[in-house]
Amino acid sequence: AQSVTQLGSHVSVSEGALVLLRCNYSSSVPPYLFWYVQYPNQGLQLLLKYTSAATLVKGINGFEAEFKKSETSFHLTKPSAHMSDAAEYFCAVTNNNAGNMLTFGGGTRLMVKP
Amino acid sequence: KAGVTQTPRYLIKTRGQQVTLSCSPISGHRSVSWYQQTPGQGLQFLFEYFSETQRNKGNFPGRFSGRQFSNSRSEMNVSTLELGDSALYLCASSLDGGSGANVLTFGAGSRLTVL
Repeated sequence: AQSVTQLGSHVSVSEGALVLLRCNYSSSVPPYLFWYVQYPNQGLQLLLKYTSAATLVKGINGFEAEFKKSETSFHLTKPSAHMSDAAEYFCAVTNNNAGNMLTFGGGTRLMVKP
Repeated sequence: KAGVTQTPRYLIKTRGQQVTLSCSPISGHRSVSWYQQTPGQGLQFLFEYFSETQRNKGNFPGRFSGRQFSNSRSEMNVSTLELGDSALYLCASSLDGGSGANVLTFGAGSRLTVL
């Protein structure tokens, strides 16, 4: 069984401030972890993925995430928020047994204040 | 390279009707997965098809069904629609379905409203 918890359904930051979106996972086997972003009226776009290589993963648009097995976490960060980062962010987990059957967290809506 | 194409983008149905949604994957992708997104339940996996065979199925009633054609295009059908079926239905494709390390590319979704 696998699950994902995203702490904070809404996060608000000022433009230029650090973005930190939290994701904790549960998986009985080694996980693969993903962060997706969803803009209004659009589908999901992959930001980055962890597939058991480097624990610090760099993605698009300046985002990165660090896999911490001891904390079962995969938090998403960006040093400086832009207005264009305002969107909903989803963390997802799967593994070799589940294949393309992703389990998503509840999502975090990021708001960026000017 | 064309992305994942879902049709129709928006549709309105009434309770008791049935609906068919279509998904054309990225060229060369053989796996198609379907997800339901609602405000209350979030993103939930419906099913996955690979080489015309259903590989995985989520926890949805039998009213939800799907199929995949030889060209990898997929359709999903919902029969006897209920108000709770109102949702954004997302299709995603990937090269294959064997490993969880695959990247899913999502379409823009089909937004279904049931009245």
